Order: sequence, then structure tokens, then C-alpha cells
Amino acid sequence: DVVMTQSPLSLPVTLGQPASISCRSSQSLVHSDGNTYLSWFQQRPGQSPRRLIYRVSNRDSGVPDRFSGSGSGTDFTLKISRVEAEDVGVYYCMQATHWPPWTFGQGTKVEIK
Amino acid sequence: EVQLVESGGGLVKPGGSLRLSCAASGFTFSNAWMNWIRQAPGKGLEWVGRIKSKTDGGTTDYAAPVKGRFTISRDDSKNTLYLQMNSLKTEDTAVYYCTTSAYWGRGTLVTVSS
Repeated sequence: DVVMTQSPLSLPVTLGQPASISCRSSQSLVHSDGNTYLSWFQQRPGQSPRRLIYRVSNRDSGVPDRFSGSGSGTDFTLKISRVEAEDVGVYYCMQATHWPPWTFGQGTKVEIK
Repeated sequence: EVQLVESGGGLVKPGGSLRLSCAASGFTFSNAWMNWIRQAPGKGLEWVGRIKSKTDGGTTDYAAPVKGRFTISRDDSKNTLYLQMNSLKTEDTAVYYCTTSAYWGRGTLVTVSS
């Protein structure tokens, strides 16, 4: 199975400042169809996960444009350009290129300093 | 509006069984590949299994920890996904979500304890 490794696991941020989360996979996530099936999810306290980004850099409907995804191959990044209070929660990367199974990163907890 | 509503969770003894349901609306359920994901208390997300759409074969795949104990099925006439869980273990305690990836339910809590 593909192992997804996130860093950092805890990210204290100042409101209005940028934040960045890294996700690395144990093998390339480029599918034979040419797509890279790497997604990012946000889980606010007490809520279900919500997908923010799919196929590396595509924002889901309703996701603020302060969230952006980038990367290729085995290295990916989720960036929040200016952190707001509602961004507090745990963020997960997930690969669906080599599935089954989907595999998730350990999660990065974003909190306000 | 897309909705996924899980039900059927509860307290069950080790070795027992439980069937979860996920009622879908707001999208063409019959075309969707559906997944179950679980989250143990205070832990991360774990993929449980998937069922393809019937037009894509309707086949299922399972994570190693649940293979042979859990069964995913679907009733497209009722827009409902199921997860039959047998031989439950304490480590199966978790909130279980149904999801297409883009859409998630609120989850249902399964507690396996004596």
C-alpha cells in the first residue's frame, strides 16, 4: 500500500498569516491515465471531513480561494494564503491513484496561536 | 442538495454483528462508486471498502483489517448503501462514514465493547 506522510503534524498559525502542509507519498501518484489522484480534506472539530482539493490542485465548489494545492509525483503541498479562525481543524491528504486502498496521511492539526 | 445519511450504529459486544445503512439523495446514486471510511476515537481516517456502480461491475474491495468480516452492498432502487459487519472486534470501534470522496455523510458511531 502507498504510505502518505504529512508534515508538520501540528501547525500553530497566526490569524492572517500563511500556512503550508506537506504530503509525501511512498511512490509516484501519477496514474496510467495521466492524472494524479491526490486530494486534501479538512475536518473541523466535531464535523465530517470535507474535500477541499482534488487531483492535486482543483478546488471543490464553495472552497475559498485562499486554499491552494500544488505538487507532482510524490511531493504535494496544501497552502492557506491567510489563515482565518474557521480554518482550525485537521487536514488530511489522500491518494486514490493506487487503490484499493485509498490511503490517508496522518493528519495535520491547524490551530491558532 | 447532495445528502448522505448514515444510520444503524450502536453498541455491540465483541463477536457480534451490525448493519449500517447510508441513504443517498441529490445525485445519481446508481452511477456512483461508494466508499466506507472509518475514524476511531481521536484517530485519523481509514478506508474500509468500496463498491463500484453496477454498470462498472458492482464489485467490492476491502481493507485488510476487515476483509472476510465486512460486506458492502447497495440497493440502487432505494438509493442506499450498506455495510454488514460481522465478527466485530473492539478495534472496529469508530465513526463510520459513507462517501463518494466529494460528498460525506455525518457518520454513525459503532462501539464494540463487552
